[in-house]
Amino acid sequence: QQPVQSPQAVILREGEDAVINCSSSKALYSVHWYRQKHGEAPVFLMILLKGGEQKGHEKISASFNEKKQQSSLYLTASQLSYSGTYFCGTEGSNFGNEKLTFGTGTRLTIIP
Amino acid sequence: NAGVTQTPKFRVLKTGQSMTLLCAQDMNHEYMYWYRQDPGMGLRLIHYSVGEGTTAKGEVPDGYNVSRLKKQNFLLGLESAAPSQTSVYFCASKRGYTGELFFGEGSRLTVL
Repeated sequence: QQPVQSPQAVILREGEDAVINCSSSKALYSVHWYRQKHGEAPVFLMILLKGGEQKGHEKISASFNEKKQQSSLYLTASQLSYSGTYFCGTEGSNFGNEKLTFGTGTRLTIIP
Repeated sequence: NAGVTQTPKFRVLKTGQSMTLLCAQDMNHEYMYWYRQDPGMGLRLIHYSVGEGTTAKGEVPDGYNVSRLKKQNFLLGLESAAPSQTSVYFCASKRGYTGELFFGEGSRLTVL
């Protein structure tokens, strides 16, 4: 079952902040975040493992609440290069169950 | 390093024809995945493999078969193509100790 992402789309002005949410109905072992530019393959941003650790990557960070089976991706002071579609991917709680399931994506558009 | 290579990049089929998509990775990864991407549907998992000689079903396996005879190759087959299988197909391999997925460039398949 695919995780649910929200919002489906968001438009920001350069410099504004955004939050993208991902939730699952199943217990999770890990959450992945990827960004895809139009016509290209998805590119890895970060992975968060069970334990609630928050991770950061330049001005992009994420959190993982394993009790709520939710993750959020935070983009601060957005840049034009942040435009694209963001996908969260989730893996179940059984280590060794390597089925990585993605959400339907959030389209982010940054305008000058 | 080439990373993950998919062939062919584009293909047009008639309903009922068969074909095989080849995914090759040169990173010695154990886990490999096949996804299809359709507008508004995100990335949906077709089949995956956790090692040479193993395969498992994903979310949308019907109409597809896979094989992993060699560790570096993961083949996706369509025995009798249908218009509903028109899509962009992405192969990915997973780096075990970081969990990062490396995607191929995608294969655009049109079934008439």
